[in-house]
Amino acid sequence: DIQMTQSPSSLSASVGARVTITCRASQPIARYLSWYQHKPGKAPNLLIYAASSLHSGVPSRFSGSGSGTDFTLTISSLQPEDFATYYCQETYSTPQTFGQGTKVEIK
Amino acid sequence: EVQLVESGGGLVQPGGSLRLSCAASGFAFSNYWMHWVRQAPGKGLMWVSRVNSDGSVTTYADSVKGRFTISRDNAKNTLYLQMQSLRVEETAVYYCARSTTTIFGVVFDYWGQGILVTVSS
Repeated sequence: DIQMTQSPSSLSASVGARVTITCRASQPIARYLSWYQHKPGKAPNLLIYAASSLHSGVPSRFSGSGSGTDFTLTISSLQPEDFATYYCQETYSTPQTFGQGTKVEIK
Repeated sequence: EVQLVESGGGLVQPGGSLRLSCAASGFAFSNYWMHWVRQAPGKGLMWVSRVNSDGSVTTYADSVKGRFTISRDNAKNTLYLQMQSLRVEETAVYYCARSTTTIFGVVFDYWGQGILVTVSS
């Protein structure tokens, strides 16, 4: 199975800050990478697919980049509703492995 | 509006069985592959199983193969997960999710809010 490693595991940031989360795959996966946002007690939400394509309805402050083994999710200006846990997921193989998550907390 | 609503969770003893359901609405259920994903307490997300649009092809994570069975009833717009020989470590919130195919693989574009399964004596 492909292993997905996210960093950091958690971070504290202020409203308006620029936030960057990284995800590394254990083998090259081209652009087969998605990002999800998950709030406690809620359904996860798809943010980004194909490494950099914004899912319908997702605010433009979210962006993704990368290919091969190294990927990045950036929130350009953190909003109060963005405090959540973020997961990357490889869509290259079965099982489609998730990263361990990055919890974004209020500073 | 797309809606996925899980039910059937609860407390079960180790070695016991449980069947989860996921009622779908707001889209052409029979056109989509469906999945189950779980999240153990304090842990991340783990893909569990998938079924193709007509129910003829199923795939499982190695850890549940032979014990879990995914199925669907397209006439009832409902997805199921039959879980047998449950283990304590399978205590988790179980989510159903719809998938769609992109140029770079399958993504989960809609999820239910999840249902808690507790395996404990």
